[in-house]
This record gives sequence, C-alpha cells and structure tokens, in this order.
Amino acid sequence: DARVTQTPRHKVTEMGQEVTMRCQPILGHNTVFWYRQTMMQGLELLAYFRNRAPLDDSGMPKDRFSAEMPDATLATLKIQPSEPRDSAVYFCASGLVTRGLSYGYTFGSGTRLTVV
Amino acid sequence: GENVEQHPSTLSVQEGDSAVIKCTYSDSASNYFPWYKQELGKRPQLIIDIRSNVGEKKDQRIAVTLNKTAKHFSLHITETQPEDSAVYFCAVLSYNTDKLIFGTGTRLQVFP
Repeated sequence: DARVTQTPRHKVTEMGQEVTMRCQPILGHNTVFWYRQTMMQGLELLAYFRNRAPLDDSGMPKDRFSAEMPDATLATLKIQPSEPRDSAVYFCASGLVTRGLSYGYTFGSGTRLTVV
Repeated sequence: GENVEQHPSTLSVQEGDSAVIKCTYSDSASNYFPWYKQELGKRPQLIIDIRSNVGEKKDQRIAVTLNKTAKHFSLHITETQPEDSAVYFCAVLSYNTDKLIFGTGTRLQVFP
C-alpha cells in the first residue's frame, strides 16, 4: 500500500529550539494538509497545499510556524521558537484532487512533539 | 466560515448493536464527506466516504447517508464488534475553498 511518510516519529526538544517536521506525500497526490491533534482531540487544520502552492495557512500561528513544499516529494512544518503549548501530534495527509473531485486523503503516522 | 459539528462525543453500545454518529455542516458548497477511524496512538484511517451526488453508500457493516438539503450526514455501523472501538471523525471538503475540515470526534466503545 502507498504510504505518507512522516519524520521524525517522535521529537523531544527544549523550549526555544527550532523544530522541523517532514512529510513525504504519496507519489501522484497533489494536495497536502498539515493537522495538529492534542490528547485525542479533534484535528486542527494548520495549512494546506495544492500542487505545492500554499492555499491557506490561516490556522497556523504566523509568528512561529511556517509550512513549505520545496518540491513535490517533501512538505515541511517548522516551529521556531518552540513552546510547551506546541506539544501535540502533528499529522500530514495527502490526497488527489482533480477536476473538482477528491479521491480520499491518506494520513501519515504523525510526529509526536514534546516541548519541555 | 466552515463549521462541522459532530454528535455524540461518546457512544457506548453492546456488541451486536448498531451505532449511529451524525455530523452537520455549514458550507453548502461542500461536496465530499469522508469518515475516519482512529485507534489509540495511531493515525486516522479512511473507512468510508460519500460525494454530494450520492445519498447513501454502504460497505459491509458500515454505511453513510447524506442529506444535502439539511446539511447533515451520518455514519451507521451495524452488528458492532469490540474491534470497532475507536474515535470516529467525520470531515467535510468544501468545493470553494478545498479545505478538509474535521468534526470533533466520537469515542465509540463496544462492550462484549
């Protein structure tokens, strides 16, 4: 089965440090979402891309978060500086949208971030 | 903006009974409605989806119904089993914004 690959799986860092999370979408998918989930709560949309172009990042705290897609095989989410309240699981999901139709979105295994 | 409400937040059923989870949405331009199952410590996994031109879809013990006029859709699980215990999320994709917005989740517990 095709998979969305996220790295690292776990990250523990000290407050104030930069954190970079990476996502490799499924080959051929043109849409990538970043979500944050805390303590089995809902999935909060942070940012999303279509054909590598950012469509919306209004869910992200702009002063410390940034999301990019340097190429079709890599999406990154950075936090600088990190704070304890950023501790959560960050999920990436990719999917194919063509001619206004969606064909399902697949989630990666997530990055569990702990900021101490 | 887009809003997705999901009810109930928790649901406990006896093995073999049916479970129903309902979601309502606000954006009338929404055209795609997936359901995800998330087990503890794992990623959400797509279990069934429906498009706006279809009223019902079934896959073995699970089914989804969509009422576009009322802007709500529901997940139905029949003959529940303990392995159905998980958190279930509905989601809505807006045709206008392409945002995939999730409901707040329903924790389903199936007791043997």
